[in-house]
Amino acid sequence: KAGVTQTPRYLIKTRGQQVTLSCSPISGHRSVSWYQQTPGQGLQFLFEYFSETQRNKGNFPGRFSGRQFSNSRSEMNVSTLELGDSALYLCASSLALAGDTQYFGPGTRLTVL
Amino acid sequence: ELKVEQNPLFLSMQEGKNYTIYCNYSTTSDRLYWYRQDPGKSLESLFVLLSNGAVKQEGRLMASLDTKARLSTLHITAAVHDLSATYFCAVDNWDSGGSNYKLTFGKGTLLTVNP
Repeated sequence: KAGVTQTPRYLIKTRGQQVTLSCSPISGHRSVSWYQQTPGQGLQFLFEYFSETQRNKGNFPGRFSGRQFSNSRSEMNVSTLELGDSALYLCASSLALAGDTQYFGPGTRLTVL
Repeated sequence: ELKVEQNPLFLSMQEGKNYTIYCNYSTTSDRLYWYRQDPGKSLESLFVLLSNGAVKQEGRLMASLDTKARLSTLHITAAVHDLSATYFCAVDNWDSGGSNYKLTFGKGTLLTVNP
């Protein structure tokens, strides 16, 4: 069974731009969660989508948004990029919502210059 | 707000030795996860501990959970170089109204096993 895939793997953007990251969950998984990983703050939860609806949310500003499609694939968008948004963005999928074991993708490394 | 603390944050050990990584969390939770992350790679699920007193073992790693003490341990037996990685614990975290869930991670323990 294929694992979680994320595209692109690496991105370089400049301040003020926006970016869209994509995540394809494991087949049959309906929940997709997004995390930001930085050396200073560690792993922080962004949001979770299930059945095309955002069900849970972390403490990030509104510049961070996401969506989920009917095939469970998810995208995350960051608008008006800041230097501090440079991070590894991980998505994770699970069968069920909230509390089911999450399986992580390889991540997208975003660098903001 | 739930806080998850791991210690130590850095651990350098010799092959063949035993050691324990500790994970403390600040509020009640019934489910705890351990993940492994190799440099430049994603997180790999190691254990899910679902109840007080749960113990799980896989190879040289054994994890346990004490929900009353809000403590989980990851014990490494006779370490080998291949175990070098960063280990994270994570805890289920519901808000006070029970309507918002997130998985809260510790800072991670960077384990280096030296020959």
